[in-house]
Amino acid sequence: GENVEQHPSTLSVQEGDSAVIKCTYSDSASNYFPWYKQELGKRPQLIIDIRSNVGEKKDQRIAVTLNKTAKHFSLHITETQPEDSAVYFCAAYMFSGGYNKLIFGAGTRLAVHP
Amino acid sequence: NAGVTQTPKFRVLKTGQSMTLLCAQDMNHEYMYWYRQDPGMGLRLIHYSVGEGTTAKGEVPDGYNVSRLKKQNFLLGLESAAPSQTSVYFCASSYPRTPGTDEQFFGPGTRLTVL
Repeated sequence: GENVEQHPSTLSVQEGDSAVIKCTYSDSASNYFPWYKQELGKRPQLIIDIRSNVGEKKDQRIAVTLNKTAKHFSLHITETQPEDSAVYFCAAYMFSGGYNKLIFGAGTRLAVHP
Repeated sequence: NAGVTQTPKFRVLKTGQSMTLLCAQDMNHEYMYWYRQDPGMGLRLIHYSVGEGTTAKGEVPDGYNVSRLKKQNFLLGLESAAPSQTSVYFCASSYPRTPGTDEQFFGPGTRLTVL
């Protein structure tokens, strides 16, 4: 069935270091890959997304890369700060049951230590 | 704009009781979704709707029903609550502008405990 696998489940870094979260997806027809950030007790919020017609996208300290051949995509956070501490979810847009749906990974809990 | 709102924020039920969760959005979005979030399992789609009067099953629909009588509202019902339905429930909405894209806006969540 359709699924998205996300690794690692937890990640601990020192402030200023980089953090990388990786996801793989099963449906080769998927063409939209968003990343959501969820702070403790809050709702998930979109932080960056990428479509299948590009291989990389950057927004300040955040970047996402996509390898459609290998069916994986990654989130890169540089110069991490304590406020980056949160759970990050990747997702892939898949066509199933007659409609497009977002399938989420299980999440990565990122802790940035001062 | 209030965005996506959910009521109630918290609820405790006894096994076998029923309840309805209400989601409302004021962004004129066509698509609405109900997810449940459990530790270590991410967000799993329960049911969704692509327009007023339409609903469809997601990944984990058993034990839940939904209705979309008005475009701005999406109701999630539990007819006979079970402890396995203890979870945090998120509603989301979106308005796909381009086929294959779907930024979803989430509500604040409802924490449900079934004893």
